[in-house]
This record gives sequence, C-alpha cells and structure tokens, in this order.
Amino acid sequence: GAVVSQHPSRVICKSGTSVKIECRSLDFQATTMFWYRQFPKQSLMLMATSNEGSKATYEQGVEKDKFLINHASLTLSTLTVTSAHPEDSSFYICSARDRARSTEAFFGQGTRLTVV
Amino acid sequence: GQNIDQPTEMTATEGAIVQINCTYQTSGFNGLFWYQQHAGEAPTFLSYNVLDGLEEKGRFSSFLSRSKGYSYLLLKELQMKDSASYLCAVSPNDYKLSFGAGTTVTVRA
Repeated sequence: GAVVSQHPSRVICKSGTSVKIECRSLDFQATTMFWYRQFPKQSLMLMATSNEGSKATYEQGVEKDKFLINHASLTLSTLTVTSAHPEDSSFYICSARDRARSTEAFFGQGTRLTVV
Repeated sequence: GQNIDQPTEMTATEGAIVQINCTYQTSGFNGLFWYQQHAGEAPTFLSYNVLDGLEEKGRFSSFLSRSKGYSYLLLKELQMKDSASYLCAVSPNDYKLSFGAGTTVTVRA
C-alpha cells in the first residue's frame, strides 16, 4: 500500500518555541493532505486541509496563525506549531489520499508533541 | 455538521465475534471507512463501503446501509492483538474524513 511518512515521531519543546512536523507521501502524489489532532482516548479532529500550491483550509476554531501549514510540493506538507504552549501537547497525525486510488486515506505515523 | 456515533467500549472473549455499530448523519456521503488504531499509533485502514451490502476481508467484515445511515464492523475469531480502538469515518462530498469517537475493544482470554 501507499506510504505516508511523518517526522518526527516524538518531540519535546519548551513553551514559546516553534515545532515543525513534516508529512511526506513516499510513493504517490498527494494534492491534498489533512492534519489531525488527537487527545488521549478521543478521536481524530480535523484541523486543516492542505492543498498543494495554495493556502490551507482550516476548520472552525483552529487558529491559522498558530498552526502554520505549508504544502509546497505534491509529496510534502508541513505543520508548524508556533509559540507552543503546554495545552498544545497532543498527538498530531497527517493523512493523504492517493487520487489514483481514491478509496483509501493513508496516515502518517503520528507525532507526539509535548510542550514543557 | 457531521454526526457519527459508535459505542465507547466493548469487551469480548478470545475466539468470539464482536460487532461494532456506527450510525451517521452527514451533509453528504462519499463512502464509509473503518480504521483500527492501537494506543499511541496512527490508524490503519480496515475497510471501505460505498454501496449497500457486506464487504468481507478475512476475519473482518463491514456492512453498510445508506438508507439507514448505518454500518457495522464485524470481527470474527477474535485474537488478543485485536484489542484496539476502532474508528468509523465518513467521507462527505469531498476528500475529507469525519471520524466517530472510536470504540475501544478489549479482548480477554
């Protein structure tokens, strides 16, 4: 199956700093990628839809200036958590759908962010 | 908005069968997905239904009734490794996925 690689898998940062998370589709072109956030024992909440070459579309309640998304190529999208605070600590997951095989969405491994 | 409901928890015995129900009310429908997620890991794809009926894939089967807004995931011959959270997700009219809260299945010996 298609592979989506997400990096880093774990990161610990200090309050006030920024963290960048990368999401790559390794063997297919993903014109659209999605960023989710998941709190313990809760489901995935869609944060934003990342479109290659254009601005991301954010879900209601998600601060676009805090969660910067860049989708510069057909295989790479990045999420930058700016000025991180402890309440930003969460599990962040990206996914991409292969338009050639539209039925599946493939997920990255997830990034566990801890802000101290 | 999208509304997707599934039970919070289920417990079953090794070797048994468990059925996880999912009901949905969404602004559109472009398919229903089931994912398995182990704690601390990303979801893995299990099944996809877009037409009514039963899709069987090994020990896992998924059923869809679009008129009833209803699906279920059937897990047969349960194994300890099947202990996980199972997520029901619906795709509205675009490439987004809306997830239910997930059902935690615990398999006991």
